[in-house]
This record gives sequence, C-alpha cells and structure tokens, in this order.
Amino acid sequence: DTEVTQTPKHLVMGMTNKKSLKCEQHMGHRAMYWYKQKAKKPPELMFVYSYEKLSINESVPSRFSPECPNSSLLNLHLHALQPEDSALYLCASSQGLDNEQFFGPGTRLTVL
Amino acid sequence: QKEVEQNSGPLSVPEGAIASLNCTYSDRGSQSFFWYRQYSGKSPELIMSIYSNGDKEDGRFTAQLNKASQYVSLLIRDSQPSDSATYLCAAPSGGSYIPTFGRGTSLIVHP
Repeated sequence: DTEVTQTPKHLVMGMTNKKSLKCEQHMGHRAMYWYKQKAKKPPELMFVYSYEKLSINESVPSRFSPECPNSSLLNLHLHALQPEDSALYLCASSQGLDNEQFFGPGTRLTVL
Repeated sequence: QKEVEQNSGPLSVPEGAIASLNCTYSDRGSQSFFWYRQYSGKSPELIMSIYSNGDKEDGRFTAQLNKASQYVSLLIRDSQPSDSATYLCAAPSGGSYIPTFGRGTSLIVHP
C-alpha cells in the first residue's frame, strides 16, 4: 500500500467553528508532514512529526494544532480560523526526514 | 536568495519535443533531490528522486544532478499534452534534512 489518505476532501467552516483534518498512511513511514498550499504557490511546510514526536513547527499560528495519535495517523485541529487560511491542506509521509515524500490528495478548506 | 530556485515559466513545448526543466539550490550540503508533478487542483506526485551526480532515467524522464554547479534538471522526452502540469523541485536547505520546494515551473505541451 503506497497511499496516503486524507479526509475530508472538502471542508467549509465558519470562523467560530472547530474542525479536524485527518491523514493516514500504512507504508510504515516514520515521518509525517502538514503543508498548506495557496493557488499558484508551492506547498508551505507547517508541521513535521518524526517517530510520533513534533520535530518542526514552522511558526504556525496556534489556531492550527497538530496531533499524531500513532505512527499511521496525523490530525490537524482547526479553531477560530480566518478567511486567509482558506487553502489546500496537504499531508505527506516519508521513511525518514531526508527521503522522498508521498502526498495525500489534500483537503480543500474554505473559511467563511 | 531563495534556497531552491526554479523559473516559473510557463515553458511551452510542442508535442513530441524534449522539455527541459531546471532547478538550482543554495545548500552545498544537500544530498537528496526530488522532482514532483502537480496537476491543477491536485496534490504533488513524486516523479524522480536523485542522490548522486550524473543522470538517472525512468521511462521518458531523466533527472540530472550536478553538485559542483548546484543544479538539478528534469528532461521529459517525447512530451505529451498530458505532461502539462507544474513541476516542483525539492531539495534540503538551510542545513535541514527536510526538502524545501521551489516555486515550480509550469509546463505546457501543445499538440
């Protein structure tokens, strides 16, 4: 299984809502990532988990809260988002931090 | 100076031609390099990874790495309209192991 899955595919939320994005991989990878991508821009790294521990937080606002319940799962909890947070949120995984990353299909988030 | 640089394009080539995509990086310690293809509205898809100087071929794709000159390129032979996409180069930067993405090059293959 070489697939990274993400749910939901699309999410519309108000600025006062709380929601979560989910990501799962069954490749035995030990590193997992969250990226944010705006139109016509490259993916922008948000968080990195290595061996289920948060190793990088790229100065992301606290309204984004990552969680890694186990080696296969990665969540991104969203609270009090702003309209400018609307973007494609991508999850990726890799064997190690310097290995090729495999991306999930992404969640298209719209904040009203 | 950006850590990983790509020309944003668009690069337009006729069907059947060779498309040449280039990427330069600033971190001399980088050891791993990746090319991804991203169709509009979709997620990046890994095409090639390259770790050693020289060429690496996979089907119609050839990645070329020159560490002395700090560039990595991707050649697409016999380009097809279905190759039209944005191609992202990724390489570690700033002493980190984790690859940084370039801005991407938009490729258009016209019939």
